[in-house]
This record gives sequence, C-alpha cells and structure tokens, in this order.
Amino acid sequence: KNQVEQSPQSLIILEGKNCTLQCNYTVSPFSNLRWYKQDTGRGPVSLTIMTFSENTKSNGRYTATLDADTKQSSLHITASQLSDSASYICVVSHDQTGANNLFFGTGTRLTVIP
Amino acid sequence: KAGVTQTPRYLIKTRGQQVTLSCSPISGHRSVSWYQQTPGQGLQFLFEYFSETQRNKGNFPGRFSGRQFSNSRSEMNVSTLELGDSALYLCASSDWGQGRSFLNTEAFFGQGTRLTVV
Repeated sequence: KNQVEQSPQSLIILEGKNCTLQCNYTVSPFSNLRWYKQDTGRGPVSLTIMTFSENTKSNGRYTATLDADTKQSSLHITASQLSDSASYICVVSHDQTGANNLFFGTGTRLTVIP
Repeated sequence: KAGVTQTPRYLIKTRGQQVTLSCSPISGHRSVSWYQQTPGQGLQFLFEYFSETQRNKGNFPGRFSGRQFSNSRSEMNVSTLELGDSALYLCASSDWGQGRSFLNTEAFFGQGTRLTVV
C-alpha cells in the first residue's frame, strides 16, 4: 500500500534552534518528493522538489535530503524563526502521469517559541 | 502575477444542502486540481481539470463534482452535504501538460475555502 508517514506529529522548539522533520514512504515506483509549508489558514507553499537522483536540495534555511534506497526524506530547518511556525507536509509521487498519483503525509506541526 | 484565488473563504451550510466553490488559477495555467484537507486525513485528491476536461479523479463519491471553464477557472460542487464534508477545500494550479515535465512542475495552492456543515 502506498503511504507517506511523517514524524513527529508536532514539535515545539526555541527560536534560533535547528530541527529535523522526517518523512518515510512506501510509494513505489517513486517519481519525486516534495516538501510543502502550510501556515495556519493558508494554502501549502512548495519548499523543495526532489527526484530519485537528488540527495540534497536547499531553499534558504531549509534543506531537504532524500535516501531513495531506504525511502526516507528529512527536512532540516536551520536557525529557526517565529515565522517557521507552520505545518510541513511531505508529498510523494509515484509516476509522471497525473496529480492523483500524489500521496500526502498528514504533516508535522512546528511551533517556534521565543 | 496574481496567485490562485479561491472564493468564498468561509462557508457555513446545513446538512442536505449543496455548495459551489470557485477557483481562479494563475494566469496561463490550464491545470486545476482540487483537494480536501481534514485534520485526521490530511490532504486528499478530489479531481484535476485540464483545458475544460477532467483529467484525473480521486476516490470520492459522486456527490463531489467539478467543471472547468474556457478561461481555466474551475468550480467544485458538493451536493447533499454531510457533516463529514466539513473541511478546508484547496485548489492548486499548475502548468503541467503545457510542455513541462510533471517532475519539475510546481503546484501553486490557493488560500482554501473553509466549509462547515452543521
């Protein structure tokens, strides 16, 4: 069964600290993996997109890693800011044919406190 | 460039009623996808329209339907509303299928419509 699991479900960190969010998937065959940031009450915004041949991709203070062999991805946030408080959603696609082949994790709710 | 616009932002409906949600994609984008987001289930794919044709469909009952107009604007309709239909409904637009590989296509989401069924 194609599934995407994220951990932890929620996380609270102090401003300025780093954190790492995890995404494990069983989607096969794998096409690409995306991380989205969703602020409360707003639509998700794409952070990174990675194909199976990419191990690391950065977007400012966000760095995503992908291990296609173990089917794991992580999103590392460096020097967190209050504005990083949001839900982070991992999305895995298993082929190139359509949007309905996207599998969504339920997200990690990150809260950054001063 | 204007983003994806969804209207209305909030809706309260009674069980048994029907509702229509609207989504205007980014100018030039012909693909519009709809998603239902609930706290327990996360994002679930409803359907995708491209150039006025439904291209892909998720596993939702026939009460959920949609359409797309020639200007790429899309509407989603839910008939005979049930309490479980309460959710955030998101639409996303992309230029997938317009000469770009799905691998590199980004989906841009709207702010969503928060539907509450009472």
